[in-house]
Parts: sequence; structure tokens; C-alpha cells
Amino acid sequence: DTAVSQTPKYLVTQMGNDKSIKCEQNLGHDTMYWYKQDSKKFLKIMFSYNNKELIINETVPNRFSPKSPDKAHLNLHINSLELGDSAVYFCAAKGTGVPGANVLTFGAGSRLTVL
Amino acid sequence: GNSVTQMEGPVTLSEEAFLTINCTYTATGYPSLFWYVQYPGEGLQLLLKATKADDKGSNKGFEATYRKETTSFHLEKGSVQVSDSAVYFCALSDPALSSGGSYIPTFGRGTSLIVHP
Repeated sequence: DTAVSQTPKYLVTQMGNDKSIKCEQNLGHDTMYWYKQDSKKFLKIMFSYNNKELIINETVPNRFSPKSPDKAHLNLHINSLELGDSAVYFCAAKGTGVPGANVLTFGAGSRLTVL
Repeated sequence: GNSVTQMEGPVTLSEEAFLTINCTYTATGYPSLFWYVQYPGEGLQLLLKATKADDKGSNKGFEATYRKETTSFHLEKGSVQVSDSAVYFCALSDPALSSGGSYIPTFGRGTSLIVHP
């Protein structure tokens, strides 16, 4: 069983389209994140949800909208895709308690290519 | 604010060489420190961690010691293998920056390691 699973793994689309990436975790963690990784491997936090509530919203364009229907799922919807949105997007879940406190478990990533 | 600074890569080594990847941090409170590893085509996974000063984290032959006096958490391995080729991320979680009960993790820019046979 994959702890944090993302779909799709690869996504190729045209500029201006709308797309979604789904994330599910079976760890029972309360906190989930979306990160964007650029071609130089730099990781930028985008959003954090704690038990379905938005906690962190870093300076991300309004075209990006996260949705958390329950604490096991955090989906990312992107409107009007632009070339600069091309990146690998990672979902992560954060543990609590000993020994997993503050350890992030990442999904395998979703590579988005905008043409 | 908090920050993590890692040495720039790529670091290129021959098999069985000694590895050091430097990491220094600035933090408001008393953070926990982590090293994550990202193998090609995969997500990040925890390599090791330390939660307080002088703690040593270790895993798979890698070690790092939490040095509060030098605000450092350098990653070392005595003898690298080709299979260690990956990108290594130093990170911290600072309880002083919790928001709504959620600690905000801070990552370094990553250091690519290439090990040749």
C-alpha cells in the first residue's frame, strides 16, 4: 500500500487548459502539503492543509486552488495553465507524535508539462 | 525568518570516497533538523533526523550531528556507492513558526550527488 499516492504521474497539456492532480494518504496524518519542484530541484511550498482547513497559502497565483474533501485527500486544481507551471508537483503528509513528529512523507510526484 | 543553506552541487565522487555535504541553518526557535534524499524519478524520503542539540541521526551509513553552536547539520558517509547518487535536501521544522497547529518545514535547495564506479 502506497502511503501517499498522487495521480496522474505524468500530465502533458496545452496552455490555457485546466487540470487537476489528486493526492491521497493512508497514514492518518492531519497535515498535508503541496510543493512545486522546478527544473533545478528547488522545492517551493504552495499550500498546507490541517484537517481539511487551509493553513498555509504561499504566494501562489489564484489559478491554483487546493481542495480537501476529507483529511485523507488534498487535490490541486490549476486553471488557465501557463508555460511556467511546468514542474513536478509533490504532495506530502506530516506525521505527529514519536518517532514521526514533523517527518514528511512524500508522494512520487506528478510531472506537469505545459506546451 | 528561517532558512537552510546547502553547498551547491553537483558533488562528483568515485565509489568508496568520503562524502560531506554541508548544511547550515537559521531558525527562530529550537528546530528539528532533517536530511531527505530524492532518487531519480521519485519523491523525497526521509534519510535521517535529529531533534535537539548534539543528537546524531544515522541511517544507511549516513550520519549528521546537530551542532547548535555552529548552526550546522552536515551530512557524512564514509564510503559512497553508485546507488547513493541522488539529490540530498537539508530541512528544518521550527515549532516557533507553527501556524494553526502546523509546523512550517523549510528546505534547502538540494545538493546533487553523482558517484562514479
